[in-house]
Amino acid sequence: QKEVEQDPGPLSVPEGAIVSLNCTYSNSAFQYFMWYRQYSRKGPELLMYTYSSGNKEDGRFTAQVDKSSKYISLFIRDSQPSDSATYLCATIIQGAQKLVFGQGTRLTINP
Amino acid sequence: NAGVTQTPKFQVLKTGQSMTLQCAQDMNHEYMSWYRQDPGMGLRLIHYSVGAGITDQGEVPNGYNVSRSTTEDFPLRLLSAAPSQTSVYFCASSYSRVNYGYTFGSGTRLTVV
Repeated sequence: QKEVEQDPGPLSVPEGAIVSLNCTYSNSAFQYFMWYRQYSRKGPELLMYTYSSGNKEDGRFTAQVDKSSKYISLFIRDSQPSDSATYLCATIIQGAQKLVFGQGTRLTINP
Repeated sequence: NAGVTQTPKFQVLKTGQSMTLQCAQDMNHEYMSWYRQDPGMGLRLIHYSVGAGITDQGEVPNGYNVSRSTTEDFPLRLLSAAPSQTSVYFCASSYSRVNYGYTFGSGTRLTVV
């Protein structure tokens, strides 16, 4: 079983839709949670970074962490074609050096 | 401020050849690391460094060497290339070992034939 599970998609939605991207993890010791966005043939770029359970909002993006169910989510409101990318969840244990990534979900926003 | 710069962007190697993938950052980041990205496998940590002169192995270190003689540079050496090392390689850095918001380079696409 992978430490972080993420549906690879692909996911295709119309412009303006609310997008929900999800990951589950198995190790309750994971404490920090991140979402990275990766455009085609580019490196991942940090989108959201959270420590605790709850929600964190940044513009059209909301990251949600539920440690009790080991579930992390990224919501994108008013999705735009420029949001088309692969989204990777990642997590780490405090003090560890290995960031554990999900497989990534390929998202396409159709105009 | 260029961020994390990786060279080359593309490379084709023959089995058994050696080469060095270059990574440089100009942000004075303490922590640097190398990942490989393969379809269905996600990003996997190869080697990492928490400062000049200090390196350690990650999840998939076999066949790779690293060194960190300066804060800025963290080259990855393939000793004897194998087709299983065909992948996209990313270098990432962070200003400290406990800050996990990494900055990634744009990657090196390596094909071993």
